[in-house]
Parts: sequence; C-alpha cells; structure tokens
Amino acid sequence: DTGVSQDPRHKITKRGQNVTFRCDPISEHNRLYWYRQTLGQGPEFLTYFQNEAQLEKSRLLSDRFSAERPKGSFSTLEIQRTEQGDSAMYLCASSPLGWGQGYEQYFGPGTRLTVT
Amino acid sequence: DAKTTQPNSMESNEEEPVHLPCNHSTISGTDYIHWYRQLPSQGPEYVIHGLTSNVNNRMASLAIAEDRKSSTLILHRATLRDAAVYYCIRSYGKLTFGQGTILTVHP
Repeated sequence: DTGVSQDPRHKITKRGQNVTFRCDPISEHNRLYWYRQTLGQGPEFLTYFQNEAQLEKSRLLSDRFSAERPKGSFSTLEIQRTEQGDSAMYLCASSPLGWGQGYEQYFGPGTRLTVT
Repeated sequence: DAKTTQPNSMESNEEEPVHLPCNHSTISGTDYIHWYRQLPSQGPEYVIHGLTSNVNNRMASLAIAEDRKSSTLILHRATLRDAAVYYCIRSYGKLTFGQGTILTVHP
C-alpha cells in the first residue's frame, strides 16, 4: 500500500488555460474526496465520490470545475479557464466504505496550482 | 462554517503531555469527532476519531465530554515532530476544517 498519490505535485499555468489533476486513492477505498486549501486556511471540501458516483458537490465547485472517477478507481479534477483565484493546494483523500461515516480519510500530498 | 472552536495556538515542551481543547456545542447525534494534523507543505494526517466514548491509539487519546459538546486531544509525550496545525472536526462523511490550533513544541 503506497498511500494516496497525486500528480502533478506542482503546476504553474497562465490565466485562461485548462488544467487537470490526477488522484490515485488507496486501492479498495470506495470513497474519494477532493479539497482545496489556500494559504493560511484549512482545507475546504469540493466534492466526493463513492465508487464512480459523484455524490456531493460544494458550492465552491463552480461550472469551471469538473471531477470524474471512471470505473471507481483514480479520479481527475479539471479546471477550465483558470483564474488567479484558483491558485491553491488541491488535496485528494480516500477512505473505505463501512458502517456509518466514522472512517478516517487518508490524504495525498496535494497538487499546488499557481495561476499567473 | 466549521462549527468547532479551537484556540489559535498552543505551546508545549518536548516530552510533556499536551491537551488540545475543542468546543463543538452544536454537534448532532450522528457526527463523529475527528482530529487531523497538518505539517507544512503536507496533506492532513489522520490522528484519531470517536463518537461517544474516549478513544486511544498509538498516536494520541481522545477524551469526549459526556454531553459531547467538547473534546480534548491528548498527546501523551510531545515530540518535535508533533509540531503541526491540529484540526478538530465534527463530521458525518465529508470533513469541514476550521482554522485549527498551531502547536509549537519547544526542545
């Protein structure tokens, strides 16, 4: 078990460009979460998947953001027409599916996006 | 709205116990209490969680008040590697992080 991995670790892009991030969860973890963290703040929930189904999206997830988890394995987060306000650390986490909701989430190292 | 209240910062000396408090007075019956910590430039790391009873694991202990309106994370012997931002989260599924407590550990 190598933990949650994210790629790339860093991304610098120009305003208006599209970017895509990838997250590989811990194998057999049914749930996958995306969070965003800006400097000095705690992470903010964006969206989560249970297997391939996207079950919840935050209001923070504007129309420019889209996430997918084909086949219930890895997930991608795409941001279209990036804006400077999108600059942040994008974190992915996974957790097993079990009784109730009291399961820990395992976070990846994050992808740091800088929009110039 | 993180719905938990934590001190902005706390300090400790190495090898001394640390008690990190958290208030969650509006917690619902199904919310778990989670603690995560985050070192600089890393993703959050799970520490411990519980529902009603006190919990212990290799990293820490979690003491939950009988009315569940507050909890305390206990690090039994702080080390320099425990210096981090500690987040107390009431959660049913997704995690809603607040500002957390910045823990400084002095050698």
